[in-house]
Amino acid sequence: DVKVTQSSRYLVKRTGEKVFLECVQDMDHENMFWYRQDPGLGLRLIYFSYDVKMKEKGDIPEGYSVSREKKERFSLILESASTNQTSMYLCASSEGQAGYQPQHFGDGTRLSIL
Amino acid sequence: AQKITQTQPGMFVQEKEAVTLDCTYDTSDPSYGLFWYKQPSSGEMIFLIYQGSYDQQNATEGRYSLNFQKARKSANLVISASQLGDSAMYFCAMSPGPGGSYIPTFGRGTSLIVHP
Repeated sequence: DVKVTQSSRYLVKRTGEKVFLECVQDMDHENMFWYRQDPGLGLRLIYFSYDVKMKEKGDIPEGYSVSREKKERFSLILESASTNQTSMYLCASSEGQAGYQPQHFGDGTRLSIL
Repeated sequence: AQKITQTQPGMFVQEKEAVTLDCTYDTSDPSYGLFWYKQPSSGEMIFLIYQGSYDQQNATEGRYSLNFQKARKSANLVISASQLGDSAMYFCAMSPGPGGSYIPTFGRGTSLIVHP
């Protein structure tokens, strides 16, 4: 089974801090994604990556950056955390062409910015 | 641009009964994939079922089946013999086929509550 592991289930940080959310997948998937999920808004794509060192902006990249130095790891960085970034963050990976392969998700990180 | 619409924000069903969760989509891509995911209250997203746009038969996975009507652009999820553990959020998603982007489009989800 594919395993996508997010480093924390719950995280509490302060305004202005630099926050790192880590995601690791163990199935050699080319594609990795970071989503933010808020009640009533569904999943919104922040960034995705289709290869090592490659990244593309999603729908809401402002205030975030990403890093993919190794194929299995995709990091989301909140450069200077703000309270409006309090949310559930989901990492996902998929193999090859997205149209034919499902995404596999991690358990999510519930991030609170105080 | 792709769009997924789930018109039912919440659904209730009696245990052991069947339930249909609606999903309509809009795309100009000739080839695409349709997916359903389940998200329990614990937060993880679980892949349930996949339907390719050129598949002739409706997909089935155990108690899950996908009622795919291509002309109507609908991909409804049918859960047979509902169980209490089926209570969760359900998301419909679509991805373009070859030559398209890597990015799936998600609906806003339907909350399903199964009553004993």
